[in-house]
Amino acid sequence: QSALTQPRSVSGSPGQSVTISCTGTSSDVGGFNYVSWYQQHPGKAPKLMISDVSERPSGVPDRFSGSKSGNTASLTISGLQAEDEADYYCCSYAGTYTPYVFGTGTKVTVL
Amino acid sequence: QLQLQESGPGLVKPSETLSLTCTVSGGSISNSIYYWGWFRQPPGKGLEWIGSIHYSGITSYNSSLKSRVTLSIDTSKNQFSLKLTSVTAADTAVFYCARLPVSNYKVDYWGLGTLVTVSS
Repeated sequence: QSALTQPRSVSGSPGQSVTISCTGTSSDVGGFNYVSWYQQHPGKAPKLMISDVSERPSGVPDRFSGSKSGNTASLTISGLQAEDEADYYCCSYAGTYTPYVFGTGTKVTVL
Repeated sequence: QLQLQESGPGLVKPSETLSLTCTVSGGSISNSIYYWGWFRQPPGKGLEWIGSIHYSGITSYNSSLKSRVTLSIDTSKNQFSLKLTSVTAADTAVFYCARLPVSNYKVDYWGLGTLVTVSS
């Protein structure tokens, strides 16, 4: 099972919106609505930001939203803030024997 | 508030066995609606699922590691453990334990992580 493809980096100014793509196949992203997104600050553990493609856990700002079209999932951060600068990883279910397949990771830089 | 804490040696010699334990507090490891899992992240690289275990003993392993990984669970201590045999330098990573809801394949709680270096 190959890793899902994400852009290496995206950037934006405070207040702008950025979108991170996560491209897989019909065997993972496209086949199931079990896509989650994780934020990871340097030296810290990942934090769940989005589950089930677009569900936001309690406590996650509504600036974070998720969506999916075909084999590509997306995370959008609206109204970018300095504290959003971090690495972001997507993750998808890919079947009984591969329940967690991660993306390659995207570094978000706030200019 | 649920907390998970990894523990174990930070340095393991090549060809030996890496052993880590995750202690869960603030919730019961015997709750049937959760699996408990291990992930790893080599320095500067991405995340990889290692395996998952249910309190009933059901396990699931990453096929690329299956021959070297064993997960176990001790409900009396509210702990679960990872053993990875025949380690090499490529196994150097931060290891995370985590809680995995059965219903939707997300990772809703992570431990802080522990760095394990494989070196002689």
